[in-house]
Amino acid sequence: AQRVTQPEKLLSVFKGAPVELKCNYSYSGSPELFWYVQYSRQRLQLLLRHISRESIKGFTADLNKGETSFHLKKPFAQEEDSAMYYCALLGGATNKLIFGTGTLLAVQP
Amino acid sequence: DAGITQSPRHKVTETGTPVTLRCHQTENHRYMYWYRQDPGHGLRLIHYSYGVKDTDKGEVSDGYSVSRSKTEDFLLTLESATSSQTSVYFCAISPGQDEQYFGPGTRLTVT
Repeated sequence: AQRVTQPEKLLSVFKGAPVELKCNYSYSGSPELFWYVQYSRQRLQLLLRHISRESIKGFTADLNKGETSFHLKKPFAQEEDSAMYYCALLGGATNKLIFGTGTLLAVQP
Repeated sequence: DAGITQSPRHKVTETGTPVTLRCHQTENHRYMYWYRQDPGHGLRLIHYSYGVKDTDKGEVSDGYSVSRSKTEDFLLTLESATSSQTSVYFCAISPGQDEQYFGPGTRLTVT
């Protein structure tokens, strides 16, 4: 079964601290994974995708097929990073996104 | 933001009444989706469309129906609203095997 797991509902860190938001997936084929972000009172927007291998707003995520993980990382958190983060898996030919339950990142001053 | 709007943005309705939410896009994308967002559940797919008059069920389709009579509009209908359908509803669009672009959301309260 296709599934995305985000084990942390809330992650609270201080400004300047490193951040790692965990995401594990279950998928039989070759996965395509995304991180979406939702800032307060805004719509969801794509943060990054694994195939582009780029860094957005200082965030990176590496696909680890051995551990079936796609953790989101940032070396130094900023207060403006506070938001809800969703990991998502593109489910093959159906073009359906399967979302995790989300992690709320709170960056304290 | 991608050319995607939702209406209404907020609605309060009573149990048992029908409700229709509208998603409108100006991007001419083939795929359109309806999700609901609930604490502890993230986003769950209700229905999606892969073309005009082509729709299919998602993960949580019970109690919902959809219609897509033209490319730009995707309607979500709650035939008889229940309190369990109180949620925030998001529409999304996509050109294909690619990222999805989300609308601003509709906050629905069923009393």
